[in-house]
Amino acid sequence: QKEVEQNSGPLSVPEGAIASLNCTYSDRGSQSFFWYRQYSGKSPELIMFIYSNGDKEDGRFTAQLNKASQYVSLLIRDSQPSDSATYLCAVRYTDKLIFGTGTRLQVFP
Amino acid sequence: EAQVTQNPRYLITVTGKKLTVTCSQNMNHEYMSWYRQDPGLGLRQIYYSMNVEVTDKGDVPEGYKVSRKEKRNFPLILESPSPNQTSLYFCASSLGTANSYNEQFFGPGTRLTVL
Repeated sequence: QKEVEQNSGPLSVPEGAIASLNCTYSDRGSQSFFWYRQYSGKSPELIMFIYSNGDKEDGRFTAQLNKASQYVSLLIRDSQPSDSATYLCAVRYTDKLIFGTGTRLQVFP
Repeated sequence: EAQVTQNPRYLITVTGKKLTVTCSQNMNHEYMSWYRQDPGLGLRQIYYSMNVEVTDKGDVPEGYKVSRKEKRNFPLILESPSPNQTSLYFCASSLGTANSYNEQFFGPGTRLTVL
């Protein structure tokens, strides 16, 4: 059974701080990695994807991938209350996308 | 507007009464998928389709059926719903799987309650 693990949280950070979200996966054959954001009652929306070791930056978001450690993370700089949501890590295995259970992020003013 | 639509958005039904949740996308995507989302369990794939007339089981297919007769539509069928199928259901689509970082676009979700 291929697994994707996330801490369910909540992760609480003050406005303006860096939020760090983590994800581990079980299968070394994983091909690509995605971070989705899901607001309560809404559908997931893609924030970033990464498929090479290292960092990938997009605005306030940075995804980090370490395939040797089977670890992927998402950093959110200058966190805003509007970033409060559940963040889902997803890992691609051939033609399937396996999701973690998500980490709930709360950004307080 | 490029989108994935699902109907109905909310449904309350009774055990054993057959139902269909429709899913349609207007992006000419090859790949379509159904997920269910339950508290503490996250998003779990029910069925997926890589193209017309090609479907395959995901991780939790028991109690569900799908069909893919047209590229744009991928209905989810519950022949005899049971209370353990009460959940939030999402349909998703993407260009395909040849490109490993194709984004999956999600529909708005269908909240199903089986009494």
